[in-house]
Amino acid sequence: GAGVSQTPSNKVTEKGKYVELRCDPISGHTALYWYRQSLGQGPEFLIYFQGTGAADDSGLPNDRFFAVRPEGSVSTLKIQRTERGDSAVYLCASSLMSGTNTGELFFGEGSRLTVL
Amino acid sequence: AQSVAQPEDQVNVAEGNPLTVKCTYSVSGNPYLFWYVQYPNRGLQFLLKYITGDNLVKGSYGFEAEFNKSQTSFHLKKPSALVSDSALYFCAVRDISQAGTALIFGKGTTLSVSS
Repeated sequence: GAGVSQTPSNKVTEKGKYVELRCDPISGHTALYWYRQSLGQGPEFLIYFQGTGAADDSGLPNDRFFAVRPEGSVSTLKIQRTERGDSAVYLCASSLMSGTNTGELFFGEGSRLTVL
Repeated sequence: AQSVAQPEDQVNVAEGNPLTVKCTYSVSGNPYLFWYVQYPNRGLQFLLKYITGDNLVKGSYGFEAEFNKSQTSFHLKKPSALVSDSALYFCAVRDISQAGTALIFGKGTTLSVSS
């Protein structure tokens, strides 16, 4: 497809379980971002990849959260031992990375995670 | 650290009237500024951005925004609102001196346009 694709669109899990959320960015976009959006809030930055490496992971809330992008395209956000407070919409975005990084982000429709 | 403030949770306007959605920012250097719109159950869509040059930026769907460095503001405007403009609007900033960082978003403003 032409846009950023995220799967699953909805995920319901039980407290303590492990969850993986997948993001397929726009072809050719070297920068990939994960955000988390809670109800009534703006997107909260989690992690940013430039190519295969995490350029900035300062937004990850704790060590239960981890993300990978092994081939510089698809990324997976992994959440261990889920807690009810992890319930949110997880947004992925990609952009063309120029030297000055002026490009806008293109967002997927998000993965809604509900932890019971 | 960079931050964005959207002081209004909700803005209500009548169709055909001008609208303004406010945004102020804080960065240590010079800013790159963006506006995004989010419709219910949809992803965020890019509206416009300010990088450099003319302080008045024009974007999608007839929206524009004015960069004011002295007031550290980047308010979103439209001369004549449509009911279909009703949505959630987000302002975002990136510090030019930290080009390798992500956009930081405000908490959003709900725009409601009545017919």
